[in-house]
Amino acid sequence: SQQGEEDPQALSIQEGENATMNCSYKTSINNLQWYRQNSGRGLVHLILIRSNEREKHSGRLRVTLDTSKKSSSLLITASRAADTASYFCATDTTFSGGYNKLIFGAGTRLAVHP
Amino acid sequence: DAMVIQNPRYQVTQFGKPVTLSCSQTLNHNVMYWYQQKSSQAPKLLFHYYDKDFNNEADTPDNFQSRRPNTSFCFLDIRSPGLGDAAMYLCATSRDQTQETQYFGPGTRLLVL
Repeated sequence: SQQGEEDPQALSIQEGENATMNCSYKTSINNLQWYRQNSGRGLVHLILIRSNEREKHSGRLRVTLDTSKKSSSLLITASRAADTASYFCATDTTFSGGYNKLIFGAGTRLAVHP
Repeated sequence: DAMVIQNPRYQVTQFGKPVTLSCSQTLNHNVMYWYQQKSSQAPKLLFHYYDKDFNNEADTPDNFQSRRPNTSFCFLDIRSPGLGDAAMYLCATSRDQTQETQYFGPGTRLLVL
C-alpha cells in the first residue's frame, strides 16, 4: 500500500502540553501535507512541506520531514482544548500519466483535556 | 468568503435508490476531487476532474459516477447505493494539479437504509 501510516492512532494530553504525531510513507513524494479534521467535518489544510525542506513552522505548529527515512512529524506546542481533532498526513505523489494525487494516512485522534 | 460548499450536509437514502451529492466552489479552481471517508479511516480518492478531464481511480466502483457541468459545480452520483456506501463524502478543490494544497468542503454524510 502507498498509504502513509501515522502513530500514535490516538493521543490524549492535558492543555498546555505538547503533542507529537508521526507519519511514515513508502513512495517518493513531491510534498507532504498535514490536515486537521474536527469530528464530522471536512479537512482543513494546516501546513505543506516540500521534499527539499527539512523543517517548517506555522504558529504553534512545527513540521519536520526526513526523506531518507520517509517520515514526518507534526508538533503542536502549548496545546489547547480547541486542538482536539483528528490530524492526517497526506503525501503528494506524481503517478504515471503525469497527474498528482494525495494519499492520506489513517490519522491520529488527538484529545486535549482542560 | 470564497469556499467549497457541499449540499446536503446529511443525506438519507434507501438501499438501491439513486442519490446525487453536490459540490460547488467559489475559488475558481481547475481541479475538483471526490473522496469517500468511512468512520475512523483515511479519506479515499474516488475520482477527480482537471478542468473537464475526468480521472477515475482504478478501484472506484462502477456504481459511482461524477459530472462537472462547469468550473463551479461537481456532482457525485451513486446509482444503486448499498449499505457499504454509507460514509462521509468529501469534495475538495485545488488551483492546479501539481503539488497544491487542497481545499475541502464540510462533507456530506450519507446514510443508506
